[in-house]
Amino acid sequence: AQSVTQPDIHITVSEGASLELRCNYSYGATPYLFWYVQSPGQGLQLLLKYFSGDTLVQGIKGFEAEFKRSQSSFNLRKPSVHWSDAAEYFCAVGPSGNTGKLIFGQGTTLQVKP
Amino acid sequence: DTAVSQTPKYLVTQMGNDKSIKCEQNLGHDTMYWYKQDSKKFLKIMFSYNNKELIINETVPNRFSPKSPDKAHLNLHINSLELGDSAVYFCASSQAPGRFDEQFFGPGTRLTVL
Repeated sequence: AQSVTQPDIHITVSEGASLELRCNYSYGATPYLFWYVQSPGQGLQLLLKYFSGDTLVQGIKGFEAEFKRSQSSFNLRKPSVHWSDAAEYFCAVGPSGNTGKLIFGQGTTLQVKP
Repeated sequence: DTAVSQTPKYLVTQMGNDKSIKCEQNLGHDTMYWYKQDSKKFLKIMFSYNNKELIINETVPNRFSPKSPDKAHLNLHINSLELGDSAVYFCASSQAPGRFDEQFFGPGTRLTVL
């Protein structure tokens, strides 16, 4: 069965420091991968997505993610974190079938220290 | 302009009551979804409609019944509310139910069952 694992439940970084959020997936075919961000009290917003092509994907708000098939990973990175990046981050995979069903990881809470 | 809106934002009710959550999107999308986010922030899809036709119906109690009067609206009715129904319910929409279509999320409805 398809699944997504985000090993880090909670991460704290200092403002200006670099960030990497981990995501591992289990999927039999070519995965469609997504990162969403949920700010406090808000809905989810798409940061970036990957299907094929260049394995380094650029997204909004200065985020990027790298797809590594050999490691079944799709880690999210940002070179310099801003206080406004504090939020919940979700990795998701789009499974087979044409239904749009997304399977989400359990999320990583990012706290930013001043 | 709000893309995906939900009403109400907060809903507090007693066990055994029946309640509805409404969702509207003004993006012209064909597909709409209901997700449930539990207290541990785990997101799981419940239902999806494409052009008013049910295409995803996950294992949820029969007490939950979605209704799509038109492509722009997807409502969720819950009968005989239970304590375990307390959660944040998100509505989302996408252009089509394709695997790579970005889903746009509403702000969520926080349901508290007392």
